[in-house]
Amino acid sequence: TQLLEQSPQFLSIQEGENLTVYCNSSSVFSSLQWYRQEPGEGPVLLVTVVTGGEVKKLKRLTFQFGDARKDSSLHITAAQPGDTGLYLCAGARGSNYKLTFGKGTLLTVNP
Amino acid sequence: DVKVTQSSRYLVKRTGEKVFLECVQDMDHENMFWYRQDPGLGLRLIYFSYDVKMKEKGDIPEGYSVSREKKERFSLILESASTNQTSMYLCASSLTTPVGAFFGQGTRLTVV
Repeated sequence: TQLLEQSPQFLSIQEGENLTVYCNSSSVFSSLQWYRQEPGEGPVLLVTVVTGGEVKKLKRLTFQFGDARKDSSLHITAAQPGDTGLYLCAGARGSNYKLTFGKGTLLTVNP
Repeated sequence: DVKVTQSSRYLVKRTGEKVFLECVQDMDHENMFWYRQDPGLGLRLIYFSYDVKMKEKGDIPEGYSVSREKKERFSLILESASTNQTSMYLCASSLTTPVGAFFGQGTRLTVV
């Protein structure tokens, strides 16, 4: 059973476009994190959201945690080729914050 | 900066061999994780450790074991490697607070 569902699975857009990717679950999480992974490398943490309804901004990236702490979204404004990569969401559960990952959204930004 | 170091980037082993994958972190994190990543399947948790000598099975522990004798080191052991264990293996560490995990560079293991 996949606890975290990410959509879309693949996204190919032109430079300058905006996009949103989603991370949904029927479970409640203590926190939700977003990572970006480049080919052949480990994922790199972008942000952690903890409070229901929380919104965090990281330059052109906006992250939102759902009010019920079951879902999250990542919005990128004016995408650039350097944003290309696999975007992964991960939810932390339990007192020790065990992490479970979604399958990811593979984003390609074409120049 | 947190550093998580995996012992090998690439590894080729024969079927039936015992394989050790080592991971070391330098930030005194309580939690350490081993995942495998396969196309179409995402990152799947193999084992998780929240303290020295403590371990918890993840979603796919069969065919694997782990060892955490020191806080900074978490080892993944393939008791008898099989071709279906060919994969990218990722180690991560985190504090026991929801601030996020830090990953190593990954070990691409091929079992022939």
